[in-house]
Amino acid sequence: GAGVSQSPSNKVTEKGKDVELRCDPISGHTALYWYRQSLGQGLEFLIYFQGNSAPDKSGLPSDRFSAERTGGSVSTLTIQRTQQEDSAVYLCASNKQGSGYTFGSGTRLTVV
Amino acid sequence: TQLLEQSPQFLSIQEGENLTVYCNSSSVFSSLQWYRQEPGEGPVLLVTVVTGGEVKKLKRLTFQFGDARKDSSLHITAAQPGDTGLYLCAGALRGGYQKVTFGTGTKLQVIP
Repeated sequence: GAGVSQSPSNKVTEKGKDVELRCDPISGHTALYWYRQSLGQGLEFLIYFQGNSAPDKSGLPSDRFSAERTGGSVSTLTIQRTQQEDSAVYLCASNKQGSGYTFGSGTRLTVV
Repeated sequence: TQLLEQSPQFLSIQEGENLTVYCNSSSVFSSLQWYRQEPGEGPVLLVTVVTGGEVKKLKRLTFQFGDARKDSSLHITAAQPGDTGLYLCAGALRGGYQKVTFGTGTKLQVIP
């Protein structure tokens, strides 16, 4: 597609439930990133995929968070046993080598 | 530990005024990007600077990369209400791959 697509745009879930967030990057972009943003503040790095290399998971806050990227394209971020502190906007971005990021509009996750 | 500190955190000015936003770090970056984010959207790339001392202009916006590649500034001349948003700097560490670290953000409001 023309841009990075994220779904759902909004998700309200009960504490303890699992959620899946989806990101469809720009075709041809080899790198895909997940960031988390709380209350309109700066972005917190979560995970990074580059081609067929092992993902950089250094930003995942706990083992309840995981992500995969299938076929070098679509990525899913999974949060298990959600907690209230997981509430945030989850942003996905993609890029080609050496270029800036193109972000999706994000998924606003609210854990109640 | 926040690698990139932005100042000020908040800025509210009248239309037509000039302003400068600063992005500072103790780390050396191979490149630095500036993004603007509007409510409900992902950040949008404004510019990438890669050479120490580099100055780039984008209409009324002037971006500068410090000589030592540790800091950057964004200057807006004659601010317009359309400039309102969250401004984020993001740096790629020297020797690292594409993953960038985002700054703490500057929220700008331009009052008509």
